[in-house]
Amino acid sequence: EAAVTQSPRNKVAVTGGKVTLSCNQTNNHNNMYWYRQDTGHGLRLIHYSYGAGSTEKGDIPDGYKASRPSQENFSLILELATPSQTSVYFCASGAGNYAEQFFGPGTRLTVL
Amino acid sequence: GDSVIQMQGQVTLSENDFLFINCTYSTTGYPTLFWYVQYSGEGPQLLLQVTTANNKGSSRGFEATYDKGTTSFHLQKTSVQEIDSAVYYCAMSWTGGYKVVFGSGTRLLVSP
Repeated sequence: EAAVTQSPRNKVAVTGGKVTLSCNQTNNHNNMYWYRQDTGHGLRLIHYSYGAGSTEKGDIPDGYKASRPSQENFSLILELATPSQTSVYFCASGAGNYAEQFFGPGTRLTVL
Repeated sequence: GDSVIQMQGQVTLSENDFLFINCTYSTTGYPTLFWYVQYSGEGPQLLLQVTTANNKGSSRGFEATYDKGTTSFHLQKTSVQEIDSAVYYCAMSWTGGYKVVFGSGTRLLVSP
């Protein structure tokens, strides 16, 4: 069974709309991460969390919010989606910064 | 700042060829270095990890040595197979840091 799952797997949104991407992990890891993947940029960190109730800004947080209501769940929220946020988004969990990160299968988001 | 550089965007080989993917890093802390592999349609997964300078990591026939002198962590494989076709990411965490930074990725295409 996959330890990190994401939903939806594909999403088409309209400019100005609200989008919520969800992530669930069964690894019991404290740390969770949201990345976006774009050609030529690799994986860039948007937000991360050290545990339930905590969220921290990563390298490219503008236009995104995050929520960690429990150990297992970590959401990424786009309040006002823009076409520049069209990308593939990955969630990951890990025991710490020096430890392996376990990635979900990704969500392909298209903002029209 | 703290970063990893992968200059090769794409590498094209034939089966049984030798693979060499270049990665250099920059940090003022003590790094932990990773290679992640991403197969089509999946999230990245850890290939190997090295935490000690001059040590070698190996997995599934791949090897990488953390060379503190040249600040390099190149990935090698003696004989690639078609199933090795994927995107390979060099990544780094470091003492005092809060995250893992990823390189821009190298797409490996292996023809039979």
